[in-house]
Formats: sequence, structure tokens, C-alpha cells
Amino acid sequence: DTGVSQDPRHKITKRGQNVTFRCDPISEHNRLYWYRQTLGQGPEFLTYFQNEAQLEKSRLLSDRFSAERPKGSFSTLEIQRTEQGDSAMYLCASSLWQDGYTFGSGTRLTVV
Amino acid sequence: KNEVEQSPQNLTAQEGEFITINCSYSVGISALHWLQQHPGGGIVSLFMLSSGKKKHGRLIATINIQEKHSSLHITASHPRDSAVYICAAYTNAGKSTFGDGTTLTVKP
Repeated sequence: DTGVSQDPRHKITKRGQNVTFRCDPISEHNRLYWYRQTLGQGPEFLTYFQNEAQLEKSRLLSDRFSAERPKGSFSTLEIQRTEQGDSAMYLCASSLWQDGYTFGSGTRLTVV
Repeated sequence: KNEVEQSPQNLTAQEGEFITINCSYSVGISALHWLQQHPGGGIVSLFMLSSGKKKHGRLIATINIQEKHSSLHITASHPRDSAVYICAAYTNAGKSTFGDGTTLTVKP
């Protein structure tokens, strides 16, 4: 297992377009997390899955954001009608309960 | 006031010095998470602790649940320790609230 993989590494999109990011966690990990990080700030929690169930969702996650983890393995994060304020690094992490917490390298989104 | 506050915001040390980074939180937690982020690099989990102390190599993390305070110590600091160190309050619900990080620079 090579750790947590995120795809793509970089995404440039025009304002108003939809984008989708993928996260492949460590296979035996049951928890998967999405975060957003802007320059100079700490990460912000977006949402969290335990297996396929989305158990917690931040108020930061507006109606334009949706995340899925359909089979309890990989997860996708979709942003609809992107805005310039959505430009950030989107980070995924996984853990087995609270153990083995591992971050992916992130997807850097630029909305132009 | 942020729910998780770190101090100092920036720290410069000479190689070999003992480093302490502090984290105070105001939310209920199941664990306190210390993370390391190198410039342009990914985030690495250092410690997840809910009580007492944990040690890994030259890194030591302590937590005082009553005082809602945690510290990260680096002994015999080295330039390769230069990074941003982030603490996060982790709840049973899986949600984390992060501090803004402490930027550490260790000079040779």
C-alpha cells in the first residue's frame, strides 16, 4: 500500500465549472476525512466518513459541495459552480479509528 | 478567539536547542493531534494523544486534559526539523479543529 492517494494533484478551472476530486485511502482504514487549506492557514475540516457513512459535515461545506464514499473505499469530493474563493488545497486523510492517521498530498484547486 | 490556539506563531532556534510549541484548546476532545507540514510538502501525523505523554525519537508530546493544554517538544533540534507544526483538537465525531500552526526555523 502506497499510502493515501489523491487525484488530480493540480486542477485549474474556470469560475462556474464543476470539479471532482478523488481520494484513495489506505485500504484497511475505516475513516476518511476531507479538509481544505488556504495559504498560511491551518487546515479546515470539511467532512468525515466512517466506512460509507458520512457522519460529520462542516458548516463550511455549502450546498455546492458534496462528498461520497459509496463502497467505503475511495471517496470523491465535488464542487459545483466553482467560485474564486474555492481556490485552496483540498486534503484527504484516512485512519483506522484514531490510529495510523495518514494524509494524502492534496489536490491544489485554482479557480480563474 | 479561536477554539485551538498555538504559540508562538513563529520560532527561530539554533541547531541543538530545545524547542517547545504550545497548544491550548477550548473544545471538548477525544484526542489532541500534532502534525508536521514541510514547505510545499504534505502533512505528517506526529502524535495523537489523549492523556499523559508520548515520545518518538527526539519528539515528545504532552497533554494536560484539565488545563486543556498540550506541548510539543523537540530535543537537540536540527535544521531538518524546520517546518510548520500544527495541533488539532480531534473529537469522537471525527471532526478536527486546527490551530494556525507554528513555523519553526532551525538554523545551523
